[in-house]
Formats: sequence, structure tokens, C-alpha cells
Amino acid sequence: DIQMTQSPSSLSASVGDRVTITCQASQDINYYLNWYQQKPGKAPKLLIYDASNLETGVPSRFSGSGSGTDFTFTISSLQPEDIATYYCQQYDTLPRVFTFGPGTKVDIK
Amino acid sequence: EVQLVESGGGLVQPGGSLRLSCAASGFTFSGYGMNWVRQPPGKGLEWVSYIGSDSSTIYYADSVKGRFTISRDNAKNSLYVQMNSLRDEDSAVYYCARVNLPIGAFDIWGQGTMVTVSS
Repeated sequence: DIQMTQSPSSLSASVGDRVTITCQASQDINYYLNWYQQKPGKAPKLLIYDASNLETGVPSRFSGSGSGTDFTFTISSLQPEDIATYYCQQYDTLPRVFTFGPGTKVDIK
Repeated sequence: EVQLVESGGGLVQPGGSLRLSCAASGFTFSGYGMNWVRQPPGKGLEWVSYIGSDSSTIYYADSVKGRFTISRDNAKNSLYVQMNSLRDEDSAVYYCARVNLPIGAFDIWGQGTMVTVSS
């Protein structure tokens, strides 16, 4: 089974800061990596798919990169409404199995 | 409006059973694979099960294999999961989520329904 790790587990940053979260897979997953934002008490929201593609309607300050085993998620200028937990998620095609990372909680300093 | 609405959560004793439902609207339900994803209180997300658009393909996480059964009724635009032999560790918010293939991303989520397994 593929395992996903994320770092850091939490971070505090100031409004306007650049925030970077990393996600690592235990084996090569090509570009099969998605990123979600979850605000307290709400369902997750898809932000980035296939490592670097911005979901429709998502602000351009969010971006993703990487392939293979190492991936990066970036908020170019942190906004107050970005306070949330961010999850990476990988997917296999056969069998169709999905694995989430443990999450990164982002707060305002 | 594209929407998923879960129902059926509640309090159940260990070893008991529960059936969750998810009603879909605003899109062609029969054209999409569907999933259940859960989140224990204060913890992260865990994928539970996937069912293909025509029910011919089904997968489960190892943690629920043999105890949970996913199904769908395309005529009723509905997704289900039958949960048997429930354990304390099955307590969680259960979300239904549409998967956008082939990218494997969950692009539409319901609001979730809480399942509490406790004596």
C-alpha cells in the first residue's frame, strides 16, 4: 500500500506570507496527486488535481507542483480565509484506491 | 445546483448495523463513480469505498472490507453503504463524494453524516 506523509503538520504564518506544504509518497505515483482544503465543520474542497492543475473557480494564489514521490502545495500570499487544514491525496487506477495524507493545519500568526 | 446529501447517521452500539444514504442532484449520477470517505472527530480523512458508475467495479479500504457494502441505485440517483459489525473506531463523519475520473479527484462532496458507535 502507498503511504502519504505531509510536512509540516501545522504552521502559523502572517497575512501575505508565502506558505509551502510538502507531500511525499512512499513510492512513485507519477502525477496522481490532488490537494484539498477543509475548513472547520465543512466538507473538503478540491483545489488542485493531477499535481499542478487548478480546479475551476479556485484563486490563482494556490498552486501545486511535483511528480514521482515529492510534491509541493503553495499559497503565494496567505489570506485570512485560507485558514484551514490542507490534505494531499493520491489515487491508483487499478485497483481504484485512494489515500489521503495526514493533513497540514494552517493558522494566522 | 450540483448537490450530494447524506442521511442515516446516528448512535449505534458496537456490533450493530447502520445504513447510510446519499441523494445526488444536479448532475447525471449514472455517469460517475462514487465514494464514501470518513473522518473521525478531530482526525484526518480516510477513503472507505468506491463504486463504479454501473456498479460493476467496487473497492474497499482494508479497514472495512467484509463489514461494509457499498451500492447504488441509478434510477433513484442514490448511493448507499451498509455498515455491519460496527466498531468504536468506525465513529466518524461519513461523506459521500463524486470522483472525477480519470483524474481520481473528489470534486463534489456532501455535508456529511455523523456515525457514533458507542455502548
